[in-house]
Amino acid sequence: DTGVSQDPRHKITKRGQNVTFRCDPISEHNRLYWYRQTLGQGPEFLTYFQNEAQLEKSRLLSDRFSAERPKGSFSTLEIQRTEQGDSAMYLCASSLDRTRYNEQFFGPGTRLTVL
Amino acid sequence: QKEVEQNSGPLSVPEGAIASLNCTYSDRVSQSFFWYRQYSGKSPELIMSIYSNGDKEDGRFTAQLNKASQYVSLLIRDSQPSDSATYLCAVKSQGGKLIFGQGTELSVKP
Repeated sequence: DTGVSQDPRHKITKRGQNVTFRCDPISEHNRLYWYRQTLGQGPEFLTYFQNEAQLEKSRLLSDRFSAERPKGSFSTLEIQRTEQGDSAMYLCASSLDRTRYNEQFFGPGTRLTVL
Repeated sequence: QKEVEQNSGPLSVPEGAIASLNCTYSDRVSQSFFWYRQYSGKSPELIMSIYSNGDKEDGRFTAQLNKASQYVSLLIRDSQPSDSATYLCAVKSQGGKLIFGQGTELSVKP
């Protein structure tokens, strides 16, 4: 299977702890996106990379959130000092910007629960 | 006004009927539009992309785009119970990110 993969699939943590999620995009895709989705809502954009460059960050991405894509392949999203409001599904998507629609394909997501 | 709005659900249709899902968007310069299907507890799955005004058909799915009215729709013909899911409309911004509607829950009754 050469789809987008995410790890872990589920994470339960206590308030105040740091967590890190990993995303591996489809191998030839140069763009990688992070979204967050809460129950009953559509995904909300957090940030995206083209190769290793972080090109856009949402105002939703507070200074407790940081994302990296060091070699233009996999990406990590770290949340420091987690809060209960961070509980959500964190979705990663990838795309190839040379295609007509630049279609984004999502991974299975990481469900975060902050106690 | 939200950037992308979908008709409120849940939408319930009998098996074999046509399900019609609607979406409006506010940014007139948007060029690419997508429909994703999301089963409960799963991630969104891309089912249709549309770029030009008019209709685009793929199997039982037809996407319709009207840029003048800033309106996108998805028709599902011969609806099946397996089509029961939340359908998300997404609009690509100039920067590349997707802006999603809140989703419409579809229930197909046998």
